[in-house]
Amino acid sequence: TQLLEQSPQFLSIQEGENLTVYCNSSSVFSSLQWYRQEPGEGPVLLVTVVTGGEVKKLKRLTFQFGDARKDSSLHITAAQPGDTGLYLCAGEDDYKLSFGAGTTVTVRA
Amino acid sequence: DADVTQTPRNRITKTGKRIMLECSQTKGHDRMYWYRQDPGLGLRLIYYSFDVKDINKGEISDGYSVSRQAQAKFSLSLESAIPNQTALYFCATSEAGSNEKLFFGSGTQLSVL
Repeated sequence: TQLLEQSPQFLSIQEGENLTVYCNSSSVFSSLQWYRQEPGEGPVLLVTVVTGGEVKKLKRLTFQFGDARKDSSLHITAAQPGDTGLYLCAGEDDYKLSFGAGTTVTVRA
Repeated sequence: DADVTQTPRNRITKTGKRIMLECSQTKGHDRMYWYRQDPGLGLRLIYYSFDVKDINKGEISDGYSVSRQAQAKFSLSLESAIPNQTALYFCATSEAGSNEKLFFGSGTQLSVL
């Protein structure tokens, strides 16, 4: 099992503020994915990053894959209450995903 | 209708009972997975199947078994449930060769008393 560590575990911010969530590992992954999970539902894929150094933007969300393909970050600009949820990173190796424990983000109105 | 459907959504059972969780999908994907989610531990892979004739153990398969009845159906069984199997269980599917993008069901909350 390849360990993925996410930080922080919890994050509570005011609407309009920015936030960054980190996903770190000592292992190299062929790809890394970010999911968001809302209460009572399964995780939903936000993005997949494949190339070291890759940056992807999804509206106010910016995802970055580290040059060595061991770590990733998720940055949200001007957070909104609708961004509230559990954010999970997952690294792919040998056609299987290993998940981090997640970061619970709460955006207060 | 949901693409990945899990039944039941909630289940309370007693120690020693046999339990089956069912998953069906309409996405036409070959690959199906069972994960459990525990607070602070994330999602851990129990079993996975890359096609109807293929079954593989994940990282925490002890105490569980699976059956792939058809491309669209993948069930998880707990032969003799124990309290530390209390968790949120997710079924997921993926399409071969797609960087393993997973599509999850809504989960089954299982409590073993």
